Amino acid sequence: ETGVTQSPTHLIKTRGQQVTLRCSSQSGHNTVSWYQQALGQGPQFIFQYYREEENGRGNFPPRFSGLQFPNYSSELNVNALELDDSALYLCASSLGQGQPYEQYFGPGTRLTVT
Amino acid sequence: AQSVTQLDSQVPVFEEAPVELRCNYSSSVSVYLFWYVQYPNQGLQLLLKYLSGSTLVKGINGFEAEFNKSQTSFHLRKPSVHISDTAEYFCAVSDLGSQGNLIFGKGTKLSVKP
Repeated sequence: ETGVTQSPTHLIKTRGQQVTLRCSSQSGHNTVSWYQQALGQGPQFIFQYYREEENGRGNFPPRFSGLQFPNYSSELNVNALELDDSALYLCASSLGQGQPYEQYFGPGTRLTVT
Repeated sequence: AQSVTQLDSQVPVFEEAPVELRCNYSSSVSVYLFWYVQYPNQGLQLLLKYLSGSTLVKGINGFEAEFNKSQTSFHLRKPSVHISDTAEYFCAVSDLGSQGNLIFGKGTKLSVKP
């Protein structure tokens, strides 16, 4: 059984640029959630995708957008990067939406915005 | 809105000593509660979860937690810690209306000293 994988591991971007982060779900999982973890903080929910549709969103601006593909892999896109976007971005997959499905987390992508 | 408070940002303890990491939540509805562990440069791993039933929950690596509804707490305990337990621990909550999205606390860094 393959776990959740994320790419790239690390990324450095300049303010104003755009970035795409990728996530492959654990085998058999059809739901993906994305979280932002700033330094010294707990993860914050960005949004969730279930069967290719956005299924819930946290308090993040529209420049944070996502996609889920038919194979349930997912992308997180961030436009017009700001310095405060520097964080660890975590992807989590689960089987089904809603409760009480356990979320399996990937190792994260460390984004640095300069 | 739900929130999670982890009362201690850092907990130093000697090897083989007991430890308790404290977590309080605020919610007006029924909740599900989780503890995750994050080792350096890794994603989150589920330690244990409370969904319903017995208020004492046992998890992996010898950890357990007790759900106390009247005190809105979900403290994590281990009777004897090992060096390998050194990590950051996150308490998280979700409810029926959140599609399984997790609200995390800020984390507690557990440092186990020889």
